[in-house]
Amino acid sequence: GENVEQHPSTLSVQEGDSAVIKCTYSDSASNYFPWYKQELGKGPQLIIDIRSNVGEKKDQRIAVTLNKTAKHFSLHITETQPEDSAVYFCAASISGGSYIPTFGRGTSLIVHP
Amino acid sequence: NAGVTQTPKFQVLKTGQSMTLQCAQDMNHEYMSWYRQDPGMGLRLIHYSVGAGITDQGEVPNGYNVSRSTTEDFPLRLLSAAPSQTSVYFCASRAYGQAGNQPQHFGDGTRLSIL
Repeated sequence: GENVEQHPSTLSVQEGDSAVIKCTYSDSASNYFPWYKQELGKGPQLIIDIRSNVGEKKDQRIAVTLNKTAKHFSLHITETQPEDSAVYFCAASISGGSYIPTFGRGTSLIVHP
Repeated sequence: NAGVTQTPKFQVLKTGQSMTLQCAQDMNHEYMSWYRQDPGMGLRLIHYSVGAGITDQGEVPNGYNVSRSTTEDFPLRLLSAAPSQTSVYFCASRAYGQAGNQPQHFGDGTRLSIL
């Protein structure tokens, strides 16, 4: 089955700095890679996703890059703000059908004002 | 549109007690799943369902039962609670699709403590 590794487990940055979270996956058939943000006391919420036919996707301060050859994908947050502090999860799955995503173990991002 | 609703939000049980965690979604999603979240372990899949009447086991199914009699509801049952089941439980749903994005929609969780 699919195995997703996520690093680092904790990331501490100063407000205004950039943050990068990296994930690797094992199943070359995976083609859908969502990222979720979990705020304290809440369930994870989708913030951005990317499919295997795209190498990079941006949404304001958030971007995701995908390297299918190396089987890794990354979340980039620029100009971090205190409200970006949360736990971030990456996931990998095969789009469509009954495939269940495999999640990374999460990264706790702390943005210091 | 409420999305995914989980009840209760908090629960304390004694070892050996049984209870049902409720999950309901109003998005007409075919797929529903239950996860547990423990520190440093991420989200681990307990059980999932691809439609009414169909359920299957995930990564950590022992000690839990599920059923799916309707599209909207997917309850999780603990038959005899154990301290190892102390965790935060999340229910999620997603739409079926051959192509396009199918992200999971999560509820806000049930925080369960077993004494």
